Amino acid sequence: DVKVTQSSRYLVKRTGEKVFLECVQDMDHENMFWYRQDPGLGLRLIYFSYDVKMKEKGDIPEGYSVSREKKERFSLILESASTNQTSMYLCASSSRRQSQETQYFGPGTRLLVL
Amino acid sequence: KNQVEQSPQSLIILEGKNCTLQCNYTVSPFSNLRWYKQDTGRGPVSLTIMTFSENTKSNGRYTATLDADTKQSSLHITASQLSDSASYICVVTPTAYNNNDMRFGAGTRLTVKP
Repeated sequence: DVKVTQSSRYLVKRTGEKVFLECVQDMDHENMFWYRQDPGLGLRLIYFSYDVKMKEKGDIPEGYSVSREKKERFSLILESASTNQTSMYLCASSSRRQSQETQYFGPGTRLLVL
Repeated sequence: KNQVEQSPQSLIILEGKNCTLQCNYTVSPFSNLRWYKQDTGRGPVSLTIMTFSENTKSNGRYTATLDADTKQSSLHITASQLSDSASYICVVTPTAYNNNDMRFGAGTRLTVKP
């Protein structure tokens, strides 16, 4: 079974803090993704990576950065957290790029920025 | 305006009853349509995927249909169980070559009551 784990289920941070969200997958997948999920909206892609040290912007990259130093780990960084970044953050991975490849999601991190 | 619209936003049914969830999309071109199930506090899990040439796909008590001409899909749940309580998300992907361009609906929240 594919397992995608995220470092925290819940986080509470202050405005201006630097926030790290960690994601690890154990299936040797090439591709990893970060999404945010807000009520009434579909998932929105923040960043993705098709290889180690490679990153590409998604639909809403502003205010975020990412790091992929190892194949199994993909980190999302909020350089200076703001209240509008309060959201559920979901990490996903897939074995190949083709759109029929299933993306496997982690359990999510619910972030509250005060 | 979201390119993937789901209805209803929420639905309550009694255990043992059937229900149908709707997904209308305007995404073009079209490669495939996937339904995900997301339990509360969990990441989405893929239920079915259909390409342009498929008009139905089943996974146990879940049956998805696709009408690519009218750009509509439905997810039918038969003999509902309490464990079916979840959000169901419709996802449309325009191209076959990249899975970084998935268009997510906002989901239908299903509650199954005893």
